Amino acid sequence: QKEVEQDPGPLSVPEGAIVSLNCTYSNSAFQYFMWYRQYSRKGPELLMYTYSSGNKEDGRFTAQVDKSSKYISLFIRDSQPSDSATYLCATPYGGATNKLIFGTGTLLAVQP
Amino acid sequence: DVKVTQSSRYLVKRTGEKVFLECVQDMDHENMFWYRQDPGLGLRLIYFSYDVKMKEKGDIPEGYSVSREKKERFSLILESASTNQTSMYLCANRGPTGYTFGSGTRLTVV
Repeated sequence: QKEVEQDPGPLSVPEGAIVSLNCTYSNSAFQYFMWYRQYSRKGPELLMYTYSSGNKEDGRFTAQVDKSSKYISLFIRDSQPSDSATYLCATPYGGATNKLIFGTGTLLAVQP
Repeated sequence: DVKVTQSSRYLVKRTGEKVFLECVQDMDHENMFWYRQDPGLGLRLIYFSYDVKMKEKGDIPEGYSVSREKKERFSLILESASTNQTSMYLCANRGPTGYTFGSGTRLTVV
């Protein structure tokens, strides 16, 4: 079992839809979670991070962590064609070196 | 903002060649990483470095080595390229505000 699992998609939605992207993790020691966005032929860029359970909102994006079920989510409201990208969840491990372990990524297409 | 630059966007190499992938950061961050990204497998850590001349194996180091002679530069070396090393290679560093990735090098081994 991978330590971080993510629905690979692809996910296709119409412009304006609410998008839900999800990951699960297996290690209850993971404390800190990140969402990266990766456009085609580019490197990942940090979108949001959360620490512990609860919600964190940034504009149209909301990151949610449920530690009891080991479930992390990213919601995108009023989705735009410019949101079309691969979204990766990640969590650091390895103590001081803080290596990142990634989900496999979900490819999202927002249709105009 | 931190900038991480990978010298090549696309590379085509022949089986058996020695390949160098270069990565440069414009800050003084200690931790640098090499990942490869493959469809269905996501990003997997090859090697990382926590200071000059200091390195550790990641999850998939076989067939790779690294070099960090200066803090700003972290090189990934494929000693004898093979077709199963065809992939997207991503360099990253870690600073106080988190990780910054380069744009990636898409390597094709023929």
